[in-house]
Amino acid sequence: DTEVTQTPKHLVMGMTNKKSLKCEQHMGHRAMYWYKQKAKKPPELMFVYSYEKLSINESVPSRFSPECPNSSLLNLHLHALQPEDSALYLCASSQFSGGGAHNEQFFGPGTRLTVL
Amino acid sequence: LAKTTQPISMDSYEGQEVNITCSHNNIATNDYITWYQQFPSQGPRFIIQGYKTKVTNEVASLFIPADRKSSTLSLPRVSLSDTAVYYCLVGDTGFQKLVFGTGTRLLVSP
Repeated sequence: DTEVTQTPKHLVMGMTNKKSLKCEQHMGHRAMYWYKQKAKKPPELMFVYSYEKLSINESVPSRFSPECPNSSLLNLHLHALQPEDSALYLCASSQFSGGGAHNEQFFGPGTRLTVL
Repeated sequence: LAKTTQPISMDSYEGQEVNITCSHNNIATNDYITWYQQFPSQGPRFIIQGYKTKVTNEVASLFIPADRKSSTLSLPRVSLSDTAVYYCLVGDTGFQKLVFGTGTRLLVSP
């Protein structure tokens, strides 16, 4: 199974809502990532988890809260978002963190988030 | 952190070979070069990776000169379904930050 799944596919939320994005992989990968992608822009790294520990936080506002309950699951908890946070949120996993040989990142299909 | 530079867009026709070049002048000794493809509203997909010389798989070839300051992704005989954005990334195993550059938007026409 070389698939990364993400739920939900689409999410519309108000600025006062609390919601969560979920990501799952069963490839035994020990690194998982959250990216944010605005229209016609490249993906921007938000968080990196390595062996279930947060190893990189790219100065992301605290209204985004990542969680890695176990090696297969990655969540992104959302609270008090702004309309400018509307974007495609991508989850990825790789055997270990970083680039390097044979360490390709497998991306999920993303969650299209709209904040009203 | 090796920065990459690619052409913003390229146009081609079905059946032609497309070569997309990526510049990475400050690539480090331990860095590998990886290319991803992304279709609209989908996550990027790994295409090919290399360190030096030439790498070929079932979908593409990657050419890397001896100085490794650039690389060229070659797509043989493109089809309409190859219309996508192509990203070149540079990084090593211990380097946790992978930075996507602006990418190259390839449009294949009939």
